Amino acid sequence: QSLLTQPPSASGTPGQRATISCSGSSSNIGSNSVNWYRQLPGTAPKLLIYRNNERPSGVPDRFSGSKSGTSASLAISGLQSEDEADYYCAAWDDSLKGPVFGGGTKLTVL
Amino acid sequence: EVQLVESGGVVVQPGGSLRLSCATSGFTFREYTMHWVRQAPGKGLEWISLISWDGSGTYYADSVKGRFTISRDNSKNSLYLQMNSLRREDTALYYCTKEGGKYYYFNNGLDVWGQGTTVSVSS
Repeated sequence: QSLLTQPPSASGTPGQRATISCSGSSSNIGSNSVNWYRQLPGTAPKLLIYRNNERPSGVPDRFSGSKSGTSASLAISGLQSEDEADYYCAAWDDSLKGPVFGGGTKLTVL
Repeated sequence: EVQLVESGGVVVQPGGSLRLSCATSGFTFREYTMHWVRQAPGKGLEWISLISWDGSGTYYADSVKGRFTISRDNSKNSLYLQMNSLRREDTALYYCTKEGGKYYYFNNGLDVWGQGTTVSVSS
């Protein structure tokens, strides 16, 4: 049972906007920044968002992150078939003294 | 180009030991915290350990504390994970990954990942 809770699945149609939530607590999301990762099948994870809402170079602005209190969200606009992947949130946890990952959300583009 | 290449994954019996290595290139290794993250078959990502840029700080997940030891050799641009008392539940793909910001532990995301090395604990 992860300290960060994500829905196991999400879906959307091409061109739509999808959102994935990540719920934590005061010891992780409530006091530290959130990162988001995408993992395509059979590949290593890729950083999508860091410091709650910053995009690394090369990540399109279709991807955006937000944080409020002890929850965070990843939004993907203009869904494309290649967005089908597993998405993970992560944050430092002050109690565990280490990062924690959410359980992951499988996004399906219908 | 920044590259991380893991090696050392094999099939090992329960109770056995193993040392994973991660060779890095394309960045100033001694300036960045490094992490090991694993993924059991069909499961999500699990952070297991980090080591600060100068090796002075190390942290472990409870699941591996006391059994695994992370280390680095800045002269060789390499990261290591010594794994002892291996259990079946340690079976996973082990990723070496780099913190995105200099001199941070986990502030700018893990921006570069290797392709992973597979550890299988089985009798």
